[in-house]
Amino acid sequence: SYELTQPPSVSVSPGQTASITCSGDKLGDKYACWYQQKPGQSPVLVIYLDSKRPSGIPERFSGSNSGNTATLTISGTQGMDEADYYCQAWDSSTVVFGGGTKLTVL
Amino acid sequence: EVQLVESGGGLVQPGGSLRLSCAASGFTFSSYDMHWVRQATGKGLEWVSAIGTAGDTYYPGSVKGRFTISRENAKNSLYLQMNSLRAEDTAMYYCARDWSMGLWGQGTLVTVSS
Repeated sequence: SYELTQPPSVSVSPGQTASITCSGDKLGDKYACWYQQKPGQSPVLVIYLDSKRPSGIPERFSGSNSGNTATLTISGTQGMDEADYYCQAWDSSTVVFGGGTKLTVL
Repeated sequence: EVQLVESGGGLVQPGGSLRLSCAASGFTFSSYDMHWVRQATGKGLEWVSAIGTAGDTYYPGSVKGRFTISRENAKNSLYLQMNSLRAEDTAMYYCARDWSMGLWGQGTLVTVSS
């Protein structure tokens, strides 16, 4: 079955750029989405179709997808961005999520 | 207001059944694919099922043959019938709208335990 691999944790200083990767076989041939989940809350879509931002998502969130890796980039990271982030892609009519990355802003 | 509201969770014994519901409001429910996604406490997201606008259904191997997703467009409702429940099915269950899962409900908790 298809797998998406994310680093368990990423740390970033406030104001700096955070990059969270998601790796999967030929992931660049599929569309990737990214979700943010804060403790006790439901997930929120922050990137779809590799690089598009839904309405209401700050411009500091961006995405890319090429080869075997999709990347979520948060520029000028703020304390409120501290959360778990999950990538997602479709493969053979099934949805696959990455294991999640805990972003710590310190 | 555009929202999804799940209900039907609770405590059930192993081998038992449960039916979850998801009430949609504020948008044309019949025009969207819908999903169920679950999350065990402290764990990641796991896709459970999807249903297209034409009623086509999709499942991962972990629930295929035990879970059934359905929809009733006239009632703006999504359902998940869960049979032969196991301890590992214990999780918060979310419904989500469309292929990008751009809208999520608040979740309903399912606990499978004797």
